[in-house]
Amino acid sequence: QSALTQPASVSGSPGQSITISCTGTSSDVGGYNFVSWYQQHPGKAPKLMIYDVSNRPSGVSNRFSGSKSGNTASLTISGLQAEDEADYYCSSYTTSSARVFGGGTTLTVL
Amino acid sequence: QVQLQESGPGLVKPSETLSLTCTVSGGSIGSYYWTWIRQPPGKGLEYIGYISYSGSTNYNPSLKSRVTISVDTSKNQFSLKLSSVTAADTAVYYCARFAWGQNWFDPWGQGTLVTVSS
Repeated sequence: QSALTQPASVSGSPGQSITISCTGTSSDVGGYNFVSWYQQHPGKAPKLMIYDVSNRPSGVSNRFSGSKSGNTASLTISGLQAEDEADYYCSSYTTSSARVFGGGTTLTVL
Repeated sequence: QVQLQESGPGLVKPSETLSLTCTVSGGSIGSYYWTWIRQPPGKGLEYIGYISYSGSTNYNPSLKSRVTISVDTSKNQFSLKLSSVTAADTAVYYCARFAWGQNWFDPWGQGTLVTVSS
């Protein structure tokens, strides 16, 4: 299984919105509504931000939202804040019941 | 709330077997699926595999020939063995949980760095 494709980096100014894409195939992202997103600050474990494409766990800011179209899922962060600066990873269920991650995207808040 | 903690040697010699244990506290290991994920220094996350409370497993095809994940319900622990390691297996190893019908990982352990070097 190949890693899902994410942009290596994105950036935005405080208050702006950014979107991170996550592209897979019909065997993973496109075949199931089982995409999740994780935020990782340096030296820390990943934190669940979005599950099942567009659902937010309790305690996650509503500035974070997710969507999917075809084989590409997206994470949008609105009203950027300094604390959003981190690495973001998508993950998907696959036809073999395995899971696969994206390569990760570094978000820089300018 | 459930907490996960990885433990094991921080240094493993090339060609040997890497062995890690994840201890689950604050909840039972039953009725859930337990996963190993790794992250080489400066790189992204890689799914290694999972085991259910009943012992069924799923492994990353690229690692399948070298990976064994097992569970000890009496100790509320599950373990990872990765054989014939090389420097490419140097990584922070995380354990994490998901529930049947829920395809996301939460919570995660804090991670443990394993270095493969002679």
